[in-house]
Amino acid sequence: DQQVKQNSPSLSVQEGRISILNCDYTNSMFDYFLWYKKYPAEGPTFLISISSIKDKNEDGRFTVFLNKSAKHLSLHIVPSQPGDSAVYFCAASGGGSARQLTFGSGTQLTVLP
Amino acid sequence: ETGVTQSPTHLIKTRGQQVTLRCSSQSGHNTVSWYQQALGQGPQFIFQYYREEENGRGNFPPRFSGLQFPNYSSELNVNALELDDSALYLCASSQRQGEGGYTFGSGTRLTVV
Repeated sequence: DQQVKQNSPSLSVQEGRISILNCDYTNSMFDYFLWYKKYPAEGPTFLISISSIKDKNEDGRFTVFLNKSAKHLSLHIVPSQPGDSAVYFCAASGGGSARQLTFGSGTQLTVLP
Repeated sequence: ETGVTQSPTHLIKTRGQQVTLRCSSQSGHNTVSWYQQALGQGPQFIFQYYREEENGRGNFPPRFSGLQFPNYSSELNVNALELDDSALYLCASSQRQGEGGYTFGSGTRLTVV
């Protein structure tokens, strides 16, 4: 039973355009959501997060939107750059006593020059 | 400020053997979490250690066990290795319950043959 789902395994975008990565969740106990970026042979690196009391958080080129009623969040990258090419993981916490992260299966973003 | 370091980076073991993976937490962090990332999937929570005690556990059998030491470093032990244990094992350190965010190491790639 996947509690966090990323339904698009891959996404290709032209450099300079917007990249939109989507994520759905099922556990109503989740109260904090994060996006991680992962390059091959490296661990996930934190990108941006959002608390369930907000619906938007922005950090430079990265914006995360949260729609609690739909249990859906998205990551917008504007403008996309070739260096953004990586696997992006959506994660959620709040569903366990350790506040551990529950990850989606990831989306491979390729930004074409 | 040193990050999270994991050793070894790669490991090949035979089915039925036992393995120990090691993790040094980031300076100032007192909590260590372990995750298993199978090919094509997102990381899955194994367990978390805080003050040398297990502080939460995911859906993994008892042959997955761990330790945390007074300096906050940690070990993950897996007994009776199975072929399905082949994965990338990630260690993440944090303040208690992920306050301030999780910092991931680059992982140990375990192959069971």
